[in-house]
Amino acid sequence: AQSVAQPEDQVNVAEGNPLTVKCTYSVSGNPYLFWYVQYPNRGLQFLLKYITGDNLVKGSYGFEAEFNKSQTSFHLKKPSALVSDSALYFCAVRNNQGGKLIFGQGTELSVKP
Amino acid sequence: DAGVTQSPTHLIKTRGQQVTLRCSPKSGHDTVSWYQQALGQGPQFIFQYYEEEERQRGNFPDRFSGHQFPNYSSELNVNALLLGDSALYLCASSFGDRLGNTIYFGEGSWLTVV
Repeated sequence: AQSVAQPEDQVNVAEGNPLTVKCTYSVSGNPYLFWYVQYPNRGLQFLLKYITGDNLVKGSYGFEAEFNKSQTSFHLKKPSALVSDSALYFCAVRNNQGGKLIFGQGTELSVKP
Repeated sequence: DAGVTQSPTHLIKTRGQQVTLRCSPKSGHDTVSWYQQALGQGPQFIFQYYEEEERQRGNFPDRFSGHQFPNYSSELNVNALLLGDSALYLCASSFGDRLGNTIYFGEGSWLTVV
């Protein structure tokens, strides 16, 4: 069965410092991986995805993610965090039999001034 | 370019009632999926519609049903509401069913069952 794990419920970072939000996955076949962000009382916004190719994927708002096949990880990163990055972040894998998204439990990112 | 739009944004229903939620996909998209997000959890897949047919279904009871119209818009219907159905219901759309295609979400419909 395909699954996604986000091992940290919450990540706290000081503004201007780099941030990392962790994600590991389990799939059969090639992984199709996504990151979404959810601001309070809002829907999900697409940040970036990995399909194939370069292991470092760049996305919206300065975020990037590093795909590591041997560690089955897809960690979200940003070189310099902003207070406005504070939100709930979801990692997801696309089921390769039918295409539904399977989400992790989410990680609450808090960036303090 | 309009994104995925959903209505209503908030609603309150009583146990046992029925509810209909509506969704218009992003312009150019033909595939619509629905997800349920309970408080403090990640979204859970309910079902997907393509060419007006249900193509895939998650682990939800038959009380949850849907429809896709010729203009690709969609409805989610929930019958015999339970307190546990209280959640954010998210509509998502994409073009076709290629796994690499991006899925875009709407702002959601908040359902409270009392």
